[in-house]
Amino acid sequence: GENVEQHPSTLSVQEGDSAVIKCTYSDSASNYFPWYKQELGKGPQLIIDIRSNVGEKKDQRIAVTLNKTAKHFSLHITETQPEDSAVYFCAASSSNTGNQFYFGTGTSLTVIP
Amino acid sequence: DAGITQSPRHKVTETGTPVTLRCHQTENHRYMYWYRQDPGHGLRLIHYSYGVKDTDKGEVSDGYSVSRSKTEDFLLTLESATSSQTSVYFCATTGNQETQYFGPGTRLLVL
Repeated sequence: GENVEQHPSTLSVQEGDSAVIKCTYSDSASNYFPWYKQELGKGPQLIIDIRSNVGEKKDQRIAVTLNKTAKHFSLHITETQPEDSAVYFCAASSSNTGNQFYFGTGTSLTVIP
Repeated sequence: DAGITQSPRHKVTETGTPVTLRCHQTENHRYMYWYRQDPGHGLRLIHYSYGVKDTDKGEVSDGYSVSRSKTEDFLLTLESATSSQTSVYFCATTGNQETQYFGPGTRLLVL
């Protein structure tokens, strides 16, 4: 089955700096890659996603890039703010796997004011 | 958040007792999922459903069963709870656009 690896597991940045989280996947059939933000005591919430026919997608301070050849995708957060502090998860999905989602192990991001 | 509720939100039980967690959604989404979340493991799929009475196993299904008798409800049952099933359980749903929405979670402690 699919295997998603996520790095780093923890990340600390100064407010205003950028943060980058990277994920790799193993199944070339995966074609949908969402990113989730999870705040303490809450369920994960989708923040951005990308499909395999697109190389990059932006939404204000958040962007995601996808390299299908290398099987990796990354989350970029610019101008970080304290409220960006949370755990971030990447995931991969394919219609070939019956809409199953495979998650990375998470990155705990701390933005230092 | 796709109108997903989970009940109970917190539960403490003893080893060997049966436990049922409920997930309810109001968006008429076809797919529903149960995950467990443990430190260092991220979210792992227990079971999922692709329609009423249609379910399949996920990565960590041993010791768990599910049922879906209505589109809006997906039940997760631990037939005989063990301490290794202490975890936070999340329900999720997916509609036609693949976007997956999560519920608020149920924190289960098995003593």
